[in-house]
Amino acid sequence: GENVEQHPSTLSVQEGDSAVIKCTYSDSASNYFPWYKQELGKGPQLIIDIRSNVGEKKDQRIAVTLNKTAKHFSLHITETQPEDSAVYFCAASQGGTSYGKLTFGQGTILTVHP
Amino acid sequence: DTAVSQTPKYLVTQMGNDKSIKCEQNLGHDTMYWYKQDSKKFLKIMFSYNNKELIINETVPNRFSPKSPDKAHLNLHINSLELGDSAVYFCASSQGATNAFFGQGTRLTVV
Repeated sequence: GENVEQHPSTLSVQEGDSAVIKCTYSDSASNYFPWYKQELGKGPQLIIDIRSNVGEKKDQRIAVTLNKTAKHFSLHITETQPEDSAVYFCAASQGGTSYGKLTFGQGTILTVHP
Repeated sequence: DTAVSQTPKYLVTQMGNDKSIKCEQNLGHDTMYWYKQDSKKFLKIMFSYNNKELIINETVPNRFSPKSPDKAHLNLHINSLELGDSAVYFCASSQGATNAFFGQGTRLTVV
């Protein structure tokens, strides 16, 4: 089955700096890669996603890149703010018999210091 | 408007009891899921239903039984609760196989 590795497990930055979280996946059949933000006491919230036919996607301060050949994808947050502090999860998904199943990375605790 | 709502939010119960967690989504989605988040925050899928039909059933003990009475509801019943079942359980829904929306979670504590 699919295996997703996420690094780093913790990331501490100063407000205004950039933050980068990286993930690798094992199954070349995976074709959908979402990123989730989880705040304390809440459920994961989708912040951005990318499909396998796209190399990069941007939404304001957040961007995701995908390298299918190397089987890795990354989340980039620019101009970080204290409210960006949360746990971030990458995930990978396939179609077919694994329809909709998300395999998650281990999570990254991001702390943005004012 | 709550998109995916779970009840209860907190559940404390003794070992051996049977309990249920309810989930409802008002997004009109056709697929619903149960995920388990352990104490290390690791999220893992348990079940998935598409149009009330079970399509994913990971290696979950058969003490866990999901039930989907209609497309908008997916409940989780757990028999003979064990200490190791303590976790946060998340319900989620999606239209098709992408863009899953998660509920706020149910923190289950077995004592």
